[in-house]
Amino acid sequence: AQSVAQPEDQVNVAEGNPLTVKCTYSVSGNPYLFWYVQYPNRGLQFLLKYITGDNLVKGSYGFEAEFNKSQTSFHLKKPSALVSDSALYFCAVQYGGATNKLIFGTGTLLAVQP
Amino acid sequence: EAQVTQNPRYLITVTGKKLTVTCSQNMNHEYMSWYRQDPGLGLRQIYYSMNVEVTDKGDVPEGYKVSRKEKRNFPLILESPSPNQTSLYFCASSFRGNYEQYFGPGTRLTVT
Repeated sequence: AQSVAQPEDQVNVAEGNPLTVKCTYSVSGNPYLFWYVQYPNRGLQFLLKYITGDNLVKGSYGFEAEFNKSQTSFHLKKPSALVSDSALYFCAVQYGGATNKLIFGTGTLLAVQP
Repeated sequence: EAQVTQNPRYLITVTGKKLTVTCSQNMNHEYMSWYRQDPGLGLRQIYYSMNVEVTDKGDVPEGYKVSRKEKRNFPLILESPSPNQTSLYFCASSFRGNYEQYFGPGTRLTVT
């Protein structure tokens, strides 16, 4: 069965420190991978995606993610966290080729302390 | 302004009373989807549509219906709502081949 795992319910980091939010997946074929962010009482916003090409992708607000095919991972990273980065982060996988079928992870709450 | 709108934003209803949540996008997107968000479960796809009159089931379609008669609209219909459909619902849209989804603000539904 297709699945996406975000092993940490919450990640705590001090402002200015690097942050990593983990995501692993299990899907057949070549997946399309995404990160979305949800601020309180808001809908989700797109951060970045991997479709093909360079394994390191850069996105909005200074975030980046690295696609690792052998480890089936797509971890989200940022070199220096901001308090304003505190939010709920979702990893998502699109599978089945050019369809619109997506699986989301359960989300990781990022808390950045000043 | 490019956006996805949902109505209503909040709805409290009773078991068995049919309801419709509307979704509209003004970006000429081909793809549209409905999700529900529940604590500890993340977002789960209910239905998706790849174009007008083309819809397919997501992971949790039971108890829901959709239609896509116009490109901009993708209503979610609950024919006979039950308490286990109490949730936060999101509509989303994207261009075919781009896959970056734009999400609506959400509809919080409570079924008593």
